[in-house]
Amino acid sequence: NAGVTQTPKFRVLKTGQSMTLLCAQDMNHEYMYWYRQDPGMGLRLIHYSVGEGTTAKGEVPDGYNVSRLKKQNFLLGLESAAPSQTSVYFCASSYGRGETQYFGPGTRLLVL
Amino acid sequence: SQQGEEDPQALSIQEGENATMNCSYKTSINNLQWYRQNSGRGLVHLILIRSNEREKHSGRLRVTLDTSKKSSSLLITASRAADTASYFCAPHKAAGNKLTFGGGTRVLVKP
Repeated sequence: NAGVTQTPKFRVLKTGQSMTLLCAQDMNHEYMYWYRQDPGMGLRLIHYSVGEGTTAKGEVPDGYNVSRLKKQNFLLGLESAAPSQTSVYFCASSYGRGETQYFGPGTRLLVL
Repeated sequence: SQQGEEDPQALSIQEGENATMNCSYKTSINNLQWYRQNSGRGLVHLILIRSNEREKHSGRLRVTLDTSKKSSSLLITASRAADTASYFCAPHKAAGNKLTFGGGTRVLVKP
């Protein structure tokens, strides 16, 4: 099992560009999450999904969109990147509500 | 906010010593989880303690939970250099869909 994988590992964008981060899990988990982590800080939840076809807002959803068309994939989109979105993005999944979360290795995004 | 708050923010100890960090939260929970993050990596789950449990062990890790004080502690015994990492607590709010992570405790274990 690969667990949770994230693509890409690192990306540099210019302000205003768009991109999509891909998260994939092979554990048949219902719940998936996108977090961002800024230097020296904890994780802040951007969006999450409680099952295929569902999405919900977290603490810091502005400037991001998500889709969960397939159970194993959770996509995070930035329509018009801003320097404030420079961060490390982590995806996670869990079997159910409040259960152990399994994290991907992260995507480092730099917006110039 | 349901956010767990860890204390201290940073901790430096010698190899072989014990490390203790605390977590406080604000509302009723179903469970509380502890995670470790090595520099530049994703978080790794350590222990989940449910609201009806008071203590849990996993190897050199011991977690306690006091729901009356809304607090938890993580003890790492006989620390090793490989324990150098950031440690996060994440309370799971009763009836909630998500965890909320605190800012973490950065632990440095010196050889």
